[in-house]
Amino acid sequence: GENVEQHPSTLSVQEGDSAVIKCTYSDSASNYFPWYKQELGKRPQLIIDIRSNVGEKKDQRIAVTLNKTAKHFSLHITETQPEDSAVYFCAASINNAGNMLTFGGGTRLMVKP
Amino acid sequence: SQTIHQWPATLVQPVGSPLSLECTVEGTSNPNLYWYRQAAGRGLQLLFYSVGIGQISSEVPQNLSASRPQDRQFILSSKKLLLSDSGFYLCAWIGIAGLSFGSGTRLTVV
Repeated sequence: GENVEQHPSTLSVQEGDSAVIKCTYSDSASNYFPWYKQELGKRPQLIIDIRSNVGEKKDQRIAVTLNKTAKHFSLHITETQPEDSAVYFCAASINNAGNMLTFGGGTRLMVKP
Repeated sequence: SQTIHQWPATLVQPVGSPLSLECTVEGTSNPNLYWYRQAAGRGLQLLFYSVGIGQISSEVPQNLSASRPQDRQFILSSKKLLLSDSGFYLCAWIGIAGLSFGSGTRLTVV
């Protein structure tokens, strides 16, 4: 089955700096890669996703890149703000609709004001 | 609109007691439904998924079970809770925006 590894497990940055979280996956058939943000005590919420037919997607301060050859994808947050502090999860699925997602272990991002 | 409801929000249960967590969705029919568990400080583990009434697939063998008695209702159960069952349980479904989670149930087994 699919295996998703996520690094780093914790990340501390200064407000205004950029943050990068990286994930690798094992199943070359995976074609859908969402990212979720989970604030303390709350549900994970989808913040951005990318499908295998594109290499990069951007939404304001958030961008995701995908390298299918190397089987890794990354989340980039620019101009970080304290409200970006949360746990971020990457995931991968062979189903374009998001069925049967395999999640990474999560990254706790702390943005220091 | 499409929404997902999950209850209770928090639950403290003694070891050996039964468990029943309920999840319902609105605004859609025949959704794919999921139960995930998140142990403290850990990632999301898929427990069960269902593609229709009475159809349950288990991803992890354990003392939990799931049932789907109605199209938009998904129930997570246990006959006898273990300490290791403590965690944050999340119901989820595939909606317009992909996989979306309910608000979760924080279960503490004491």
